[in-house]
Amino acid sequence: GENVEQHPSTLSVQEGDSAVIKCTYSDSASNYFPWYKQELGKRPQLIIDIRSNVGEKKDQRIAVTLNKTAKHFSLHITETQPEDSAVYFCAAGYMLTFGGGTRLMVKP
Amino acid sequence: EAGVAQSPRYKIIEKRQSVAFWCNPISGHATLYWYQQILGQGPKLLIQFQNNGVVDDSQLPKDRFSAERLKGVDSTLKIQPAKLEDSAVYLCASSLGTAGRYEQYFGPGTRLTVT
Repeated sequence: GENVEQHPSTLSVQEGDSAVIKCTYSDSASNYFPWYKQELGKRPQLIIDIRSNVGEKKDQRIAVTLNKTAKHFSLHITETQPEDSAVYFCAAGYMLTFGGGTRLMVKP
Repeated sequence: EAGVAQSPRYKIIEKRQSVAFWCNPISGHATLYWYQQILGQGPKLLIQFQNNGVVDDSQLPKDRFSAERLKGVDSTLKIQPAKLEDSAVYLCASSLGTAGRYEQYFGPGTRLTVT
């Protein structure tokens, strides 16, 4: 089955800085890679996703890049704001396998 | 549109007791998922239904966990008997079709504490 590893587990940045979270996956057949944001005590919410026929996708301050050869994908958040503070999860595979999560803290 | 509904929101039971969780997906969503999220970890898929058929239950501990989706709409997840390590948030999600083509929408979850 699919195995997803996510780094770092915690990330602290100053407001306005950029944040990058990286994930690697094991199954070369995986072709769907979503990112979820989960605030404390709330449900995960999809923030962006990418499919294997695309190398990069942007949505305002958020972007995701995918390297299928190396089997890794990354989430980039620019101009971070305090409301970006949350736990972020990557996932991969037909039956979504989630990474362990990254706790992002944006200091005002 | 109404979101995925789950009940109860919280449940505290003693080990060896039984518990059941209920999920009502978004209307029209054919695919329904149950996830277990242990504190500090990502969600782990327990079972996936397509309409009322099971697509994947490879990570469901079948000696104590069971799930059904009658009539292809609502679903229940049952644990009997519960163990301490079952303490987690149980998330239900639904999508129009299978993952990879359609977004999954999560419910608010049921927080289970086993003492």
